[in-house]
Amino acid sequence: DAMVIQNPRYQVTQFGKPVTLSCSQTLNHNVMYWYQQKSSQAPKLLFHYYDKDFNNEADTPDNFQSRRPNTSFCFLDIRSPGLGDAAMYLCATSRDQPYGSPGPRQETQYFGPGTRLLVL
Amino acid sequence: QKEVEQDPGPLSVPEGAIVSLNCTYSNSAFQYFMWYRQYSRKGPELLMYTYSSGNKEDGRFTAQVDKSSKYISLFIRDSQPSDSATYLCAMGRGAQKLVFGQGTRLTINP
Repeated sequence: DAMVIQNPRYQVTQFGKPVTLSCSQTLNHNVMYWYQQKSSQAPKLLFHYYDKDFNNEADTPDNFQSRRPNTSFCFLDIRSPGLGDAAMYLCATSRDQPYGSPGPRQETQYFGPGTRLLVL
Repeated sequence: QKEVEQDPGPLSVPEGAIVSLNCTYSNSAFQYFMWYRQYSRKGPELLMYTYSSGNKEDGRFTAQVDKSSKYISLFIRDSQPSDSATYLCAMGRGAQKLVFGQGTRLTINP
């Protein structure tokens, strides 16, 4: 089945120790997203890739970086995790239609199971 | 004012009841409306996707969009304990970004 996969499902790191979360997809979607979700809150978009183009949200801290080496994979790097970075990190994908395509332009987003990050 | 407002609940109803979940929004440019279900410690799962105004039905679930009132609803008929989850509304306006509501935590009691 086509899907969005995140690894690991649970990650424990130490304060200030870099950590990388990974996401892969078999949907062949051209857009990939990273969200941060804290308890009882809405997912907060950190950044997204439209194909190879990186789009950072204005309020995403510099501590968060991302890489997309190919269509299928996307990584979230947290350079120096703080206690406040403990959260669920969600990867999502969508297939966005090019300008001028018929029909609704925005396809929905499909989420992975998430990685729960704990910072000690 | 948030772009999307959603009552966080919690909402608790008996099994078999009809559940109504709602979101209001302020941006009239939104055209795409979605409902996601999120079980505890899992990623959101798409339930319903609606483009522009109107109703959409899928099994026990019905999504309604009223763009004139900037109000969307999700109805769950014959609710089951397995429907217990957090329900997130989300909406977009043709670019890649979605704006999410806070989510409503729903419990269906057997």
